[in-house]
Order: sequence, then structure tokens, then C-alpha cells
Amino acid sequence: DVKVTQSSRYLVKRTGEKVFLECVQDMDHENMFWYRQDPGLGLRLIYFSYDVKMKEKGDIPEGYSVSREKKERFSLILESASTNQTSMYLCASSPGAANTGELFFGEGSRLTVL
Amino acid sequence: AQTVTQSQPEMSVQEAETVTLSCTYDTSESDYYLFWYKQPPSRQMILVIRQEAYKQQNATENRFSVNFQKAAKSFSLKISDSQLGDAAMYFCAYRRETSGSRLTFGEGTQLTVNP
Repeated sequence: DVKVTQSSRYLVKRTGEKVFLECVQDMDHENMFWYRQDPGLGLRLIYFSYDVKMKEKGDIPEGYSVSREKKERFSLILESASTNQTSMYLCASSPGAANTGELFFGEGSRLTVL
Repeated sequence: AQTVTQSQPEMSVQEAETVTLSCTYDTSESDYYLFWYKQPPSRQMILVIRQEAYKQQNATENRFSVNFQKAAKSFSLKISDSQLGDAAMYFCAYRRETSGSRLTFGEGTQLTVNP
């Protein structure tokens, strides 16, 4: 069964802290994505990766960075968390080129920054 | 840049009735894909249905069907015989033919199913 696992369902951090959100997929997918979900704004793409050690900026990359050292793992990093980064973060993966475009999502990580 | 708009933040339907969720998009591309995703409360988002723009026939998956109007850039989702388990947030999404799996999502529509 397809599985995308996000390490933490709920996190509470303080302003200025460094935050790591981890995502692991077991489907040998090439593509991995980090989205942010906010009410009334839908999902917005932060960063994505089509291969190991490769990353590309999405629509809202400011304040975030990512790491993909292994194919199955894609990490989202908030170098210095701010209150406007309080949100639901969704990780997703998909197969490589010539795929149907379907994304497989994790359950989400709800981050609160105080 | 492509945009996707869902103009109905909330919808409700009686169990066993039919409901239609609206979605419009803006693109200058001729080849693309459209999707409806479902996000149940506290559960993972899953794909409901997919439509390739080059196909004139509307996609259907059991009780779920779409009305794809390419010229009008409209992509609505019809849920027939609504069930309590259909209650969820529904997102419309767009993908360019050449963008790999990079999707652009709409704002979402919260669907309530009343018993």
C-alpha cells in the first residue's frame, strides 16, 4: 500500500526556533513536494524535488529550505520560525516522468509557532 | 501563471441527494490535466477523479463525475447519491502537460452531508 509518512502530526515551537519537518515515502517515487495549507488559500507549493540532492523553489519558498539526501526522504526546514508560518504542512510524492500526475499525500503536520 | 478558483467555500447536501462543486481555472496551455482531491477530516488527501484536457469525454468514477467545459475553463464535480463518508474538503487542481507532477490547487470547498 502506498505510504507517505510525516514524522510529526502536531508541533508547537517558539518564534526563532529552527524547525525540521520530515517526510518519508516507501514507493520509490522520484518526485517529492512540500505544500502549505491555509484556510481560504488552499494548498501552496513551497519546494519540490525531482531527484536526490535536487530541489526547486515553488510559489512561496521564502523562509523555508529543504533537503533531499536520500530518495525516500524529503525534509522541510524553517531556519527561524515565525508566527506567520503557523500552518498545516503537507508532504506529497509521485512517480517520475510520464506519470499520471497523481500525488500521494501524507497526513500532514500542523505547526503552531508562538 | 495558472490559477484555480473554487467559488464555493462551503456546500451542504442531504444524504442520497446530488451535489455539484464548481471549479474554474485560467491557462493559456492547450494540454493539461485537471484533478479533484478529497481531504476527509484528519485524514490524508486522496485523488477522486482526473481529466485529461485532450479528452472530450467527461471522466466518471462510480458516484463521482465531472463536467469539463474546456472553452469555458470550467471543471465541476458532481457527487451522486451522497453518503456521509463524502463529507470532506474538496480541492480542484491543475497540472500543465510539461510540469511533471507540479499541481496548482484551488481554495477548497468544505462539503457537509446531512443525514
